[in-house]
Amino acid sequence: GAVVSQHPSRVICKSGTSVKIECRSLDFQATTMFWYRQFPKQSLMLMATSNEGSKATYEQGVEKDKFLINHASLTLSTLTVTSAHPEDSSFYICSASLTPGTEERNIQYFGAGTRLSVL
Amino acid sequence: AQKITQTQPGMFVQEKEAVTLDCTYDTSDQSYGLFWYKQPSSGEMIFLIYQGSYDEQNATEGRYSLNFQKARKSANLVISASQLGDSAMYFCAMREGFSGGYQKVTFGTGTKLQVIP
Repeated sequence: GAVVSQHPSRVICKSGTSVKIECRSLDFQATTMFWYRQFPKQSLMLMATSNEGSKATYEQGVEKDKFLINHASLTLSTLTVTSAHPEDSSFYICSASLTPGTEERNIQYFGAGTRLSVL
Repeated sequence: AQKITQTQPGMFVQEKEAVTLDCTYDTSDQSYGLFWYKQPSSGEMIFLIYQGSYDEQNATEGRYSLNFQKARKSANLVISASQLGDSAMYFCAMREGFSGGYQKVTFGTGTKLQVIP
């Protein structure tokens, strides 16, 4: 159980275009999902916490107009990188936890990640 | 100060041998959780093991065990009988506090483990 699906796994786009990444919890409901960014050979950096039905909470230094997050249902959150530029090239990975109260450990289950390359 | 410290950027272990990956943490919370994740070269983050701050027993999951020393604030991962498929990056992580809702998880810088045939 606790499978998180993330698509696409890899995307190459031209500078100035927007890219949408989907994160789905397949066998559980996720009130909250998390979006991370990982640079090569570095750790995961939390970008934002996505809450179903409300606005995402962004970490300091993350541009909310640049990285649009929508969490329209209990099983789907999307991250849109708007007007992507080469410096946005990175590995983006999402995670989801079981609804509070059902899993005290609050283990985050991760998608397989999306490798974004902006030319 | 770093909340999670992994001092070993890289480790080698002979196949079938045991290996310990170090992790120390820093928190003033009484309630917290510690996690280990494995990240193969493909990129996905695979949950391995969890230790709660109030758990009296060290967590074990198959070949993985967590050596939890609360007073020293360490949560080392022990992998027994290493296999070639264990070659990957390993991240230690911590969730601070628990109020019934979600708390942020902070990740360490990772240790790259290579298993030698």
